[in-house]
Amino acid sequence: GQQVMQIPQYQHVQEGEDFTTYCNSSTTLSNIQWYKQRPGGHPVFLIQLVKSGEVKKQKRLTFQFGEAKKNSSLHITATQTTDVGTYFCAGRRSGGGADGLTFGKGTHLIIQP
Amino acid sequence: NAGVTQTPKFQVLKTGQSMTLQCAQDMNHEYMSWYRQDPGMGLRLIHYSVGAGITDQGEVPNGYNVSRSTTEDFPLRLLSAAPSQTSVYFCASSYDIRGVNGYTFGSGTRLTVV
Repeated sequence: GQQVMQIPQYQHVQEGEDFTTYCNSSTTLSNIQWYKQRPGGHPVFLIQLVKSGEVKKQKRLTFQFGEAKKNSSLHITATQTTDVGTYFCAGRRSGGGADGLTFGKGTHLIIQP
Repeated sequence: NAGVTQTPKFQVLKTGQSMTLQCAQDMNHEYMSWYRQDPGMGLRLIHYSVGAGITDQGEVPNGYNVSRSTTEDFPLRLLSAAPSQTSVYFCASSYDIRGVNGYTFGSGTRLTVV
C-alpha cells in the first residue's frame, strides 16, 4: 500500500532558527496536505498543494510540492515558541479513486528558548 | 458551528468492558473516519465511512465496530477493551474522502484501559 515517510521524527531548534520537515511518498500523489497538532491538541489543517512544483506561503511557513509529486516540504523561518507541535503531511495516491489520505508519522518540533 | 464533537474527552475502562466513543459533525460532511494516535506511530486509520449506511475498514480495525445511520453521527464501539487499546482517538470528517478542504478533527478521546 501507499506509504508516506516523514523526516526527521524530532527536531530541536533554538528560538529564531529555521526548521524544515520533509515528506516522501512511495507513489505519485494527486495532492498533499499539511496539518499541525499542538501538544495535547488535535490536528488542524494548514494547507493543500495540488500542482507539480507548487509553492505556497503562510506568513513564516513555506510549503513546497515536488516536481514529480512524490515529495513535499514545510519550512518555517525564524521559529517562535508558538510553532511548537507536531507537523503531519498527508497525501492521496494519484488515481486513487476511493482512497483517502495517508498520513505520515509527523515531525515533532521542539523549541529551546 | 460546532464542527466535530467527540465525547467523552477522557475515559478509563477495565479490561473486558465495552464502550462507545461518540462523534458528531454539523457540517453536512459525507466522509467521516476514526484514527488512533500512539507515540511514534502517527495517525492510524481504524474505520471510515463515505456516507450514511456505508462503512469500511482502515489499517487497524480489529476490536472496533462502527455504524453510520445518519450523516451527522459516526460512533466507534470497543467490544471488549484491552490494554493495547489505550490510546488517543480522533474522529475526522470532510466533504468527501479526498479531503479537498482538509479533514476537520475533533478534540479527541483519551482512553486508558487497565
